[in-house]
Amino acid sequence: AQSVAQPEDQVNVAEGNPLTVKCTYSVSGNPYLFWYVQYPNRGLQFLLKYITGDNLVKGSYGFEAEFNKSQTSFHLKKPSALVSDSALYFCAVRDGRNTGFQKLVFGTGTRLLVSP
Amino acid sequence: DVKVTQSSRYLVKRTGEKVFLECVQDMDHENMFWYRQDPGLGLRLIYFSYDVKMKEKGDIPEGYSVSREKKERFSLILESASTNQTSMYLCASSPLGGLSSYNEQFFGPGTRLTVL
Repeated sequence: AQSVAQPEDQVNVAEGNPLTVKCTYSVSGNPYLFWYVQYPNRGLQFLLKYITGDNLVKGSYGFEAEFNKSQTSFHLKKPSALVSDSALYFCAVRDGRNTGFQKLVFGTGTRLLVSP
Repeated sequence: DVKVTQSSRYLVKRTGEKVFLECVQDMDHENMFWYRQDPGLGLRLIYFSYDVKMKEKGDIPEGYSVSREKKERFSLILESASTNQTSMYLCASSPLGGLSSYNEQFFGPGTRLTVL
């Protein structure tokens, strides 16, 4: 069964500094990986995904993520944080094997706080 | 612009009541999902549906049922609400994915349900 770990409940960073939100995964087949963001009192919004191809994936709002197969990680990054990036971030994984419906498994979420 | 709407943002019910949560998507998506979101637990899949009148149990189906009579509408039913069902409920939809791709899910704004 697939699983996702987000080891940090909260990440604090100053505005203008680079940010990293960590995610590691476990699947039997090739992983399909996703990042979502949730602003207060809102649903989840899709940021980016890795299916295949380049290990560095670029997404919305200047975010990017790097797929590292040997470390089974998919960390979310941004070169320069904004106060408006403060939100709850979820990593999710799906097993890429096409054997029927494969559900998306979410991590527990990491709260990002960007201070002015 | 893609849209998933949920019938209520906030709902307060009493123990033992039957509760209906409605979700509508306007994107002609085949797949629809119901999750609950609890602090420290992330998102957990309750039920999903890949076609009209089709449904599959997710990870935590106990105490819930679903209905999908039309493609655009997916209802979550709490047969007899209990206090441990107090949570944020998120609906999502996605189109079918092919062998080499997987489409992201689009989320509604959520319904915060309190059972007293």
